[in-house]
Amino acid sequence: GENVEQHPSTLSVQEGDSAVIKCTYSDSASNYFPWYKQELGKGPQLIIDIRSNVGEKKDQRIAVTLNKTAKHFSLHITETQPEDSAVYFCAARVYGQNFVFGPGTRLSVLP
Amino acid sequence: DVKVTQSSRYLVKRTGEKVFLECVQDMDHENMFWYRQDPGLGLRLIYFSYDVKMKEKGDIPEGYSVSREKKERFSLILESASTNQTSMYLCASTGQDRVYGYTFGSGTRLTVV
Repeated sequence: GENVEQHPSTLSVQEGDSAVIKCTYSDSASNYFPWYKQELGKGPQLIIDIRSNVGEKKDQRIAVTLNKTAKHFSLHITETQPEDSAVYFCAARVYGQNFVFGPGTRLSVLP
Repeated sequence: DVKVTQSSRYLVKRTGEKVFLECVQDMDHENMFWYRQDPGLGLRLIYFSYDVKMKEKGDIPEGYSVSREKKERFSLILESASTNQTSMYLCASTGQDRVYGYTFGSGTRLTVV
């Protein structure tokens, strides 16, 4: 079955710097890759997603890139702000199956 | 604003008690899921349901059961709570064909003493 790895497990950046979180997946049939942000005491919230027919997607300060050949996808956050501090999860899904989640990355944005 | 609502944010139960965690969604979603979240282990799927009265075991179903009598409601049941079931429990839902990502509830932090 699908397996998703996520790195790093923790990441600290200075406010205003960029942050990059990378996930790799094992099943080449996976075709949908969402990213979730989980703030303290809350449930995960979908922030951006990408499908396998697209190489990059951007929404203001966040972007996701997908490399199907290498089977990895990355979340990029530019101009980080303290409110970006949270745990970020990636996920991958083969059509018709359930999502498989990465273990999460705790991002701390230092003022 | 679409929602997945979990009835309790925090629960404290005693070992051996039967515990009910309730989840309600207002998006007319067919698919509903229960996860538990533990530090270092990420999100682990307990049970899921693709339709009313339907349920399937996830990766860690032992010690749990579920009920889906109505489309909007998916209940997780701990038949006899144990301390190793102390965790954050997250309910999620998504529409038909599971084309899009999940909508998660805010979670229930359960402590079993």
